[in-house]
Amino acid sequence: DAKTTQPPSMDCAEGRAANLPCNHSTISGNEYVYWYRQIHSQGPQYIIHGLKNNETNEMASLIITEDRKSSTLILPHATLRDTAVYYCIVRVYSGAGSYQLTFGKGTKLSVIP
Amino acid sequence: NAGVTQTPKFQVLKTGQSMTLQCAQDMNHNSMYWYRQDPGMGLRLIYYSASEGTTDKGEVPNGYNVSRLNKREFSLRLESAAPSQTSVYFCASNYALTDTQYFGPGTRLTVL
Repeated sequence: DAKTTQPPSMDCAEGRAANLPCNHSTISGNEYVYWYRQIHSQGPQYIIHGLKNNETNEMASLIITEDRKSSTLILPHATLRDTAVYYCIVRVYSGAGSYQLTFGKGTKLSVIP
Repeated sequence: NAGVTQTPKFQVLKTGQSMTLQCAQDMNHNSMYWYRQDPGMGLRLIYYSASEGTTDKGEVPNGYNVSRLNKREFSLRLESAAPSQTSVYFCASNYALTDTQYFGPGTRLTVL
């Protein structure tokens, strides 16, 4: 199973871009990278996912390196409500059309006023 | 659309007691999951159900049983609660087209 490595914590000034790195050097060619976040003690919330190409949605952008060994989640204009733990996950196929997400400890992002 | 709902929100048990955590989703998703989250840790998968009528063990299944009652409901049972099962329990369902999981608000369980 591909594992991910993230810094335990990061700070970002409000209104600035937050760039959260993730290393997944053992990822296989057909494995997707997913990002979730968990605000306070709520259930995790899906942010974005990608395979090879860069992706963007209304919440964030995902930049995946050409060799796919690392990626960066970008929150373009961080707000105080973006303070959360961000999880970078490599999705693993578990059979019968089902996939598993293995959550590590993530990166605790603190957005500072 | 309520999404994923869980009951109860909080529960305190004594060692040896049993209880069932309920989870329901109204998004017509096939796959459902149960996770636990201990303080300062990420989520760990307990059991999952790829479709109605099937269940499989995850990373930490010992001490738990599950039932996929129908497509909407997936329950988690603790037959004899232990202090080590003190945790926050999250249920999730999976949207197959994008393989994204939607999580419930969690059940905070304390076993004394």
